[in-house]
Amino acid sequence: GAGVSQSPSNKVTEKGKDVELRCDPISGHTALYWYRQSLGQGLEFLIYFQGNSAPDKSGLPSDRFSAERTGGSVSTLTIQRTQQEDSAVYLCASSLAGPVTGELFFGEGSRLTVL
Amino acid sequence: GQQVMQIPQYQHVQEGEDFTTYCNSSTTLSNIQWYKQRPGGHPVFLIQLVKSGEVKKQKRLTFQFGEAKKNSSLHITATQTTDVGTYFCAGPLLNGGSQGNLIFGKGTKLSVKP
Repeated sequence: GAGVSQSPSNKVTEKGKDVELRCDPISGHTALYWYRQSLGQGLEFLIYFQGNSAPDKSGLPSDRFSAERTGGSVSTLTIQRTQQEDSAVYLCASSLAGPVTGELFFGEGSRLTVL
Repeated sequence: GQQVMQIPQYQHVQEGEDFTTYCNSSTTLSNIQWYKQRPGGHPVFLIQLVKSGEVKKQKRLTFQFGEAKKNSSLHITATQTTDVGTYFCAGPLLNGGSQGNLIFGKGTKLSVKP
């Protein structure tokens, strides 16, 4: 596709359930980022993948959060045993290279609501 | 830890007035990027500054990168209602000596009264 694709666009779940959010980056982009944005707030870094390097997981808020990137392309962010404070928009972005040379292209986001 | 701070958090202006948002990093940045997020939308890249003291213009927008590469500003001349949104600066986090993730400031939310 022409841009970063995220699914689902909206997800409503019950507290304690697991959720998976998917990101399909722009073809050829080696860098992939996940951010979380709570209502009216800034962008909170979660995880960063660059090529075949080990991902930078330093932003993951707890061990309930995990992410993987298969084949250097599609990424899945998994939140286990969701809590109400996990409610937010989860934004994925991809870049042609690392941030030194590449702008980030964001998807439309996945809005997660935990009841 | 490394931080990117942005002020002000909110700015309300009358259409036609100027607007400036400031970004400060606790460490020297190799580059800085600016993004705009319209209400209900996702962040969209505006520009990247790399050189010390660099100034770039995009129509009514002027971007500056400080001499020490630790601060930056975005200035909008004669704001229009189409400028409404949140403006974010972002800089790369140095992680183990190599470029790592991109850290965003908390953003400045601009509202423009017609």
